[in-house]
Amino acid sequence: GENVEQHPSTLSVQEGDSAVIKCTYSDSASNYFPWYKQELGKGPQLIIDIRSNVGEKKDQRIAVTLNKTAKHFSLHITETQPEDSAVYFCAASMNSGYSTLTFGKGTMLLVSP
Amino acid sequence: DGGITQSPKYLFRKEGQNVTLSCEQNLNHDAMYWYRQDPGQGLRLIYYSQIVNDFQKGDIAEGYSVSREKKESFPLTVTSAQKNPTAFYLCASSFGTPNGYTFGSGTRLTVV
Repeated sequence: GENVEQHPSTLSVQEGDSAVIKCTYSDSASNYFPWYKQELGKGPQLIIDIRSNVGEKKDQRIAVTLNKTAKHFSLHITETQPEDSAVYFCAASMNSGYSTLTFGKGTMLLVSP
Repeated sequence: DGGITQSPKYLFRKEGQNVTLSCEQNLNHDAMYWYRQDPGQGLRLIYYSQIVNDFQKGDIAEGYSVSREKKESFPLTVTSAQKNPTAFYLCASSFGTPNGYTFGSGTRLTVV
């Protein structure tokens, strides 16, 4: 089955800096890669996703890049703010009838004022 | 407003008891999922269902059971066979695969 590795496990930045979280996946058949943000005591929320026919996608201060050859994808947050502090999860999935999302173990992002 | 609702938010279980966690969605999603979250472990799949009256085991199904009698509902029972049930349980739904999931707010289960 699919295996998703996520790094780093914790990331501390100053407000206004950029933050980058990286994930690698094992199954070359995976073609859908979402990112989730989870605040303390809440369920994860989808913040951005990318499909394998696209190399990069942006939404305001966040962007995701995908390198299918190397089987890795990354989340980039620019101009970080204290409210960006949360746990971020990457995930991967194939396009087949019973496929499910396989999640990385998460990155705790701390943005200091 | 459409959404996915989990209840209760906190649940306490005595040794040897079965408990049932509720998950209801009004998003008209076909697929529903149960994940378990432990510190440092990420999200691990317990069970999932793509259509009514059908469900499949995930990676850690032992000690759990589910039913899918209605499209909107996917309850999870944590049985006494689950030896370490203390965790944060998350329910999710989606329009099939591959698409992003909508998660509920979770149920924190504690064994007392």
